[in-house]
Amino acid sequence: IQLTQSPSSLSASVGDRVTITCRASQGISSYLAWYQQKPGKAPKLLIYAASTLQSGVPSRFSGSGSGTDFTLTISSLQPEDFATYYCQQLNSYPFHFGQGTKLEIK
Amino acid sequence: EVQLVESGGGLVQPGGSLRLSCAASGFTVSSNYMSWVRQAPGKGLEWVSVIYSGGSTYYADSVKGRFTISRDNSKNTLYLQMNSLRAEDTAVYYCARAARYYDILTGFDYWGQGTLVTVSS
Repeated sequence: IQLTQSPSSLSASVGDRVTITCRASQGISSYLAWYQQKPGKAPKLLIYAASTLQSGVPSRFSGSGSGTDFTLTISSLQPEDFATYYCQQLNSYPFHFGQGTKLEIK
Repeated sequence: EVQLVESGGGLVQPGGSLRLSCAASGFTVSSNYMSWVRQAPGKGLEWVSVIYSGGSTYYADSVKGRFTISRDNSKNTLYLQMNSLRAEDTAVYYCARAARYYDILTGFDYWGQGTLVTVSS
């Protein structure tokens, strides 16, 4: 199962609402996770089961979707949110990641 | 506090071998699902392998037959034995603990800091 994220990169301003899309090559039910990664750091789990917020993650992050189409939304961008975001499918092996979306400051 | 600390990375020649270790604290490795994920320089994340609490293991096609994931319960440590290394295996290797809902793996909630493996002559 391949995952395609769009866009690959995105420029936005603090306070903007941002949406990142992840499309699976076949249905994966809700077995999708979202991660945030900052340069030189390990990824951080944001969302699991497509829409469940990981403990400690700010509520401005939300996830939706099922089947093949998923979205990660940041309702109001904060300076610390500028990073690269990855989706990952956990429906079947191999547990592929999307290619990533780099979120940059406009 | 949950902590994962990788070690064992370094420079190795093509065709060589290396064993990575991931020492865990704050939880029991054998009771959890554990995985290795790698990231080539400047590239995205690539899932490598998983070991379940029952001992089942699965691998990415790119490493199948060359890499082996295992654990030492007495040391609470996860391992990745890497043989027949290639230049394309050059990456930072992370170990990660899987979050789960009952027996379903839902994501990776704790990660180590990563260890760099460089395959070059």
